[in-house]
Amino acid sequence: AQKITQTQPGMFVQEKEAVTLDCTYDTSDPSYGLFWYKQPSSGEMIFLIYQGSYDQQNATEGRYSLNFQKARKSANLVISASQLGDSAMYFCAMRGARDDKIIFGKGTRLHILP
Amino acid sequence: DAGVIQSPRHEVTEMGQEVTLRCKPISGHDYLFWYRQTMMRGLELLIYFNNNVPIDDSGMPEDRFSAKMPNASFSTLKIQPSEPRDSAVYFCASSFSAGPQETQYFGPGTRLLVL
Repeated sequence: AQKITQTQPGMFVQEKEAVTLDCTYDTSDPSYGLFWYKQPSSGEMIFLIYQGSYDQQNATEGRYSLNFQKARKSANLVISASQLGDSAMYFCAMRGARDDKIIFGKGTRLHILP
Repeated sequence: DAGVIQSPRHEVTEMGQEVTLRCKPISGHDYLFWYRQTMMRGLELLIYFNNNVPIDDSGMPEDRFSAKMPNASFSTLKIQPSEPRDSAVYFCASSFSAGPQETQYFGPGTRLLVL
């Protein structure tokens, strides 16, 4: 069965520092996609970044990058130069080639301190 | 291009009343998903459709919940009768296909409060 684990329920980080949010996954699918979503206090779910299991390079989108370590089955989200607006809940998610559904982790609540 | 549209954004109703939540997926997307989010249970997949056909409704909590997708641009999630424990944020999401690379895009959600 597929599983996503986010071990950090909450984090406090000083503004302008880099942040790493942990995500490990488990799947028997040889092909899969990994996603990160941001949910600010306003409630919407915002797609941030995608990493394919066969991608040779780590995905990057602006200040977001994904530290993908396939052998360790980890897909950590790195936010560089954090800003107050980065305070939100962050969800790691995965979709396997043999499954229509995306499964989500329980999320990490990030607080950026001024 | 417009994202996923949900209505209403907020709904307050009394126990026993019927509640209908509406969703318009992104044009061209073949998959539509309904989720429920609560503090206690997190994000739960309720049901999803492919080409307007329900594929998996195993997450629907009970017979009080029903969902339809009469066409490619519209879906409803109905709760009848509603109960206080149904209070949650209900999200609709859509994606282009079922490939592992296909991102689900979420609507803004409907915040439901059942008194």
